[in-house]
Amino acid sequence: GAVVSQHPSWVICKSGTSVKIECRSLDFQATTMFWYRQFPKQSLMLMATSNEGSKATYEQGVEKDKFLINHASLTLSTLTVTSAHPEDSSFYICSARIPRQSNEKLFFGSGTQLSVL
Amino acid sequence: GENVEQHPSTLSVQEGDSAVIKCTYSDSASNYFPWYKQELGKGPQLIIDIRSNVGEKKDQRIAVTLNKTAKHFSLHITETQPEDSAVYFCAASSPNLVNEKLTFGTGTRLTIIP
Repeated sequence: GAVVSQHPSWVICKSGTSVKIECRSLDFQATTMFWYRQFPKQSLMLMATSNEGSKATYEQGVEKDKFLINHASLTLSTLTVTSAHPEDSSFYICSARIPRQSNEKLFFGSGTQLSVL
Repeated sequence: GENVEQHPSTLSVQEGDSAVIKCTYSDSASNYFPWYKQELGKGPQLIIDIRSNVGEKKDQRIAVTLNKTAKHFSLHITETQPEDSAVYFCAASSPNLVNEKLTFGTGTRLTIIP
């Protein structure tokens, strides 16, 4: 299957700092990437849909100024958690779909565990 | 929007026995149903999927069945092995939603007892 690479795999930061998470599609060009958040022992919650060359679409209740998404190329989307606070601590996962194969085959990155002290 | 329910939340199975996880969905327009396996500290991995024009699909020890009328689909794992222990998520996708987003179930923690 397609490969989605996510970095870093874990990060610890102080409250008030910003953290950037990268998501790359390694063997295909992804016009659309998705960012999820997962709390312990819970399901994946879609935060936003990242579209190459345009603004991201955020789900209801997700602060777009808090979670900045940039999808500047067909292989890279970034999620920046700005002014992180302990309540932002979570497992963040990106995913991508192979273009022109809509409704199928969503591939996930390995996730980033964010811990805010 | 779509709502996906998944049962059971936890499941313990003796090694070699079969495991069944069930999901129901609410949007009759949903037409794609993947299953993901997630190991601790990792992202979900697609293990099998099925489209609405098919009733059953099998891949070695894993099978998925779909009942469109009842709006439910199930994951079947036969001859379970310790490495099958993980959290499994079902999902459904409706073409009515922008960008055809997946809606995930709440997950099932499967434990295989050696």
